[in-house]
Amino acid sequence: SAVISQKPSRDICQRGTSLTIQCQVDSQVTMMFWYRQQPGQSLTLIATANQGSEATYESGFVIDKFPISRPNLTFSTLTVSNMSPEDSSIYLCSVGRDTQYFGPGTRLTVL
Amino acid sequence: AQSVAQPEDQVNVAEGNPLTVKCTYSVSGNPYLFWYVQYPNRGLQFLLKYITGDNLVKGSYGFEAEFNKSQTSFHLKKPSALVSDSALYFCAAPRGGYNKLIFGAGTRLAVHP
Repeated sequence: SAVISQKPSRDICQRGTSLTIQCQVDSQVTMMFWYRQQPGQSLTLIATANQGSEATYESGFVIDKFPISRPNLTFSTLTVSNMSPEDSSIYLCSVGRDTQYFGPGTRLTVL
Repeated sequence: AQSVAQPEDQVNVAEGNPLTVKCTYSVSGNPYLFWYVQYPNRGLQFLLKYITGDNLVKGSYGFEAEFNKSQTSFHLKKPSALVSDSALYFCAAPRGGYNKLIFGAGTRLAVHP
């Protein structure tokens, strides 16, 4: 399985600001995925990030709020823009073909 | 629509006793099913998966899961629970291609000494 790291591991931010979360994989992968886990909730897919093309967003998520970059086959970023307390969640990236493997997550608290 | 359901919010088990965490599914075609575990302040860890073949799937940390097509279930089991098994468990299935996962609501397992 791939080794996946995320930065930052946690952060506390003020409303109205933006935070960029990084996801690094130790091997080249075609697709990377970003999930959100709201407090006490399950995981929900935000978007799929392919290298060399725009990310594909799931229903309820938009690029202006969650812009994603995928500059190469081992790295992706997710930005949470113009944050509100409702954005307080754990954000996880994942990779894999037959089996999805997840990064350790970024715990975001918005005040 | 594809869906997975975990009917129990929490399962309480005494250490040394067998445990079962339930999952039912509604997917089209041949189901691919997964179990993940989330320990406090840690990411999601893959436990096991069913793709095809034997209905009893063995995974990490002594866990296994039984696929039952007639009951559309994929229950997670372990013969003897450990306190360290206490965590949040998620059942998942692919949606629109096997990379995108839909998750059940999660079941919190509490193993008491």
